[in-house]
Amino acid sequence: SYELTQPLSVSVALGQTARITCGGNNIGSKNVHWYQQKPGQAPVLVLYRDSNRPSGIPDRFSGSNSGNTATLTISRAQAGDEADYYCQVWDSSTGLFGTGTKVTVL
Amino acid sequence: QVQLQESGPGLVKPSETLSLTCTVSGGSISSYYWSWIRQPSGKGLEWIGWIYYSGTTNYNPSLKSRVTISVDPSKNQFSLRLSSVTAADTAVYYCARHGVTAYYDYWGQGTLVTVSS
Repeated sequence: SYELTQPLSVSVALGQTARITCGGNNIGSKNVHWYQQKPGQAPVLVLYRDSNRPSGIPDRFSGSNSGNTATLTISRAQAGDEADYYCQVWDSSTGLFGTGTKVTVL
Repeated sequence: QVQLQESGPGLVKPSETLSLTCTVSGGSISSYYWSWIRQPSGKGLEWIGWIYYSGTTNYNPSLKSRVTISVDPSKNQFSLRLSSVTAADTAVYYCARHGVTAYYDYWGQGTLVTVSS
């Protein structure tokens, strides 16, 4: 079965850049969506179809997807970006989420 | 603004059936896919399954034998039934919407279901 692997945690200094990876076999051939989840809240879409931002998501959030790795990049990290981040794809109409990455802003 | 709200018992006994309903407001249930997703405390998200407004369904293979998702367009609601529950089914259960573009754009706030005697 298809699996998505994310690093357990990523730390970033305030104002610096964080990169969160999502690994999967030939994931570059799939559309990858990214969600941000803060404690006690439902996930919120931050990127769709690899690199597109929904309305209201700052342009500090960007994404790429190629080969076996998709990447969510958070530029100029802010304290409010501290959260869990999940990638998501579809594989034969089956929904799949990545293992999740906790982003800590130092 | 579309809103989703989960409802149902917060406590279910082992071996019984978990039943939840998601009520959609601010928009029609038509022409979209509606999913159930769960998250055990401190763990990641797990997709349970989706239903199209017409009634077509698809389930997580690991849960397929125990899951039924149904839809009632007249009430703008869809529901989840998970049978033969165990403590491992204790989680926050979310309902969510996606379109043909396949990303979840609206989520419910989530409801905690505990399986315990």
